[in-house]
Amino acid sequence: AQSVTQPDIHITVSEGASLELRCNYSYGATPYLFWYVQSPGQGLQLLLKYFSGDTLVQGIKGFEAEFKRSQSSFNLRKPSVHWSDAAEYFCAVGLTGGGNKLTFGTGTQLKVEL
Amino acid sequence: GAVVSQHPSWVICKSGTSVKIECRSLDFQATTMFWYRQFPKQSLMLMATSNEGSKATYEQGVEKDKFLINHASLTLSTLTVTSAHPEDSSFYICSATDRGRTVAEAFFGQGTRLTVV
Repeated sequence: AQSVTQPDIHITVSEGASLELRCNYSYGATPYLFWYVQSPGQGLQLLLKYFSGDTLVQGIKGFEAEFKRSQSSFNLRKPSVHWSDAAEYFCAVGLTGGGNKLTFGTGTQLKVEL
Repeated sequence: GAVVSQHPSWVICKSGTSVKIECRSLDFQATTMFWYRQFPKQSLMLMATSNEGSKATYEQGVEKDKFLINHASLTLSTLTVTSAHPEDSSFYICSATDRGRTVAEAFFGQGTRLTVV
């Protein structure tokens, strides 16, 4: 079965600083990969996704992620963090050939210091 | 496009009663919907897969008689928490897949906060 690891439970960055959230997955083939953001008491908003092709994926709100097959990683990055980016971030893996069923990582809580 | 709506957004019920949560795909047809549960400060755990016109598939450890799922149409799935108890208090989130898309992508509802008192 596939699994997703987000090593950082909490991350604090200063506003304007760069951000990288780590995500590693375990799966026998190349999965579909997603990053979602969740504000307190809210549902999930899709930031970006990787299905195939270019391994550097651009998303909404200035986020990007890079799929590295050799490292089984799909890290999320943002060059300059805004205070409104403070939220919980989830990496998720879906199965290829019908990847609707997602396995989520444990999440990373991002705090932004002004 | 691709909007999924959950209702209600929050609900408080008495212990022993049943609560129904609706998940609707507003602008697309969803052959498959998924129900997740999220405890405070934890990740989402898949409870069950809801297929239109057939029985739901439950994940290991999820009581099918307690969490009744019905997917009567291509735009609506319901989760009923029967005989709710305080330990059922949680955040429930559904997702749906647009069957018209060639590559699978799940769209999430805004979630339902259930509090059992």
